[in-house]
Formats: sequence, C-alpha cells, structure tokens
Amino acid sequence: GAVVSQHPSRVICKSGTSVKIECRSLDFQATTMFWYRQFPKQSLMLMATSNEGSKATYEQGVEKDKFLINHASLTLSTLTVTSAHPEDSSFYICSAGGGTRSYEQYFGPGTRLTVT
Amino acid sequence: AQTVTQSQPEMSVQEAETVTLSCTYDTSESDYYLFWYKQPPSRQMILVIRQEAYKQQNATENRFSVNFQKAAKSFSLKISDSQLGDAAMYFCAYRSMEYGNKLVFGAGTILRVKS
Repeated sequence: GAVVSQHPSRVICKSGTSVKIECRSLDFQATTMFWYRQFPKQSLMLMATSNEGSKATYEQGVEKDKFLINHASLTLSTLTVTSAHPEDSSFYICSAGGGTRSYEQYFGPGTRLTVT
Repeated sequence: AQTVTQSQPEMSVQEAETVTLSCTYDTSESDYYLFWYKQPPSRQMILVIRQEAYKQQNATENRFSVNFQKAAKSFSLKISDSQLGDAAMYFCAYRSMEYGNKLVFGAGTILRVKS
C-alpha cells in the first residue's frame, strides 16, 4: 500500500503557542488529504478535508481559525493548531487519497499533541 | 447523512477461535464502499478488508472475511483462527461514491485475544 508520513510523531507545546503538523504522501500524489482527531478509546473524528490548491472544507463545529490547514502540493498538507490550549491535546491523524489511489485512504501514523 | 453503528464496545476471543464483529449502517445510496480498519496499540490505522456495495460476493482476505447483507445494511467482520496480534480496536467505515473519499467511522470495537 501507499505510505503516508506525519511529523512530528509527538509534540509538547506551551499553552498559547502554535504548533504545525505535517502530513506527506511519500509515493503517490494525493489530491485529497483528511485530518482527524482521536481521543483515547474513541473513534476518529473528521476535522477537515483539504484538496490541493484550494481551501479546506471544515466539519461542523471545527474552528477554522484555530485549526489552519494548508494543502500546498500534491504530497504535503499541514495542520497548524493556533494558540493551543490544554483541551487541544489529542491524537491527530492525517490520511491521503485521490489521484491514482482514488478509492482508498492511506493513514499516517498520527501525532500526539500535548499542550501544557 | 450516513451513519455507522458498532454495537459491541468490547469483544473477547480465545486464541485460535473465531470471532465476529458487528456493524450496521444507514444510507440512502445504492453504491458505496465499506471498510474494516484495525488500530493496534501503535495507533496506526491498517486496512483489513474492503467491500464494494455493487458486488454480491463477500470479500475475504486470508483469515478475515465479511458478511455483507446489503438489504439489511449489515457488514460484519469474521476473524478466523484468531491470533494474539489481532488484538486491536476495529473500526467499520462507510465511504460514499458521491461525496469523494470522505469516510464515516463507527465507534469501534476493542478486540481482546486470550492465550
């Protein structure tokens, strides 16, 4: 299957700062990338869908000014958590699809964010 | 909007035995994909099996098979000859053919494998 990487795998930041998480499709061009949030022992909650070269589409209840998503190329999407607070602490997962992998989503390994 | 329901929060199975995880979904669409994903303690999402709704034949992947009942909107996963490495959280997911690659996940089932 296709490979999707995320960086960093873990990050700790102070309350009020911003943190950027990168999602890369390593061996295919992803026209669409998805960002999920997952709390312990719970399901994945879709935050937003990003298409290369256009603005992300956010799910209801997700603050677009807090969770900035950029999909500048066919292999890279970034999620920036702005002015992070302890309640933003969570596990963030990206997935990539589209292009030559049109019917599949390939998941990154996730990023654990802790806001102190 | 589509919904996916997994009614079993936790299941246990003895090593080498068979277990079935349940999933039901709600949709008005006639064509779609259904998936089972495994999330082990590493939290990496792994695709276990995929079913296209237009295919009547149930998908199988080695020890994993599904029972797809389209009219009943049911999509259960059977794991045969369970192994310790099968212990994980399992998610059932629905993908619309009309709304891009967006996946709708169920709440998940924790599978424990006893030796």
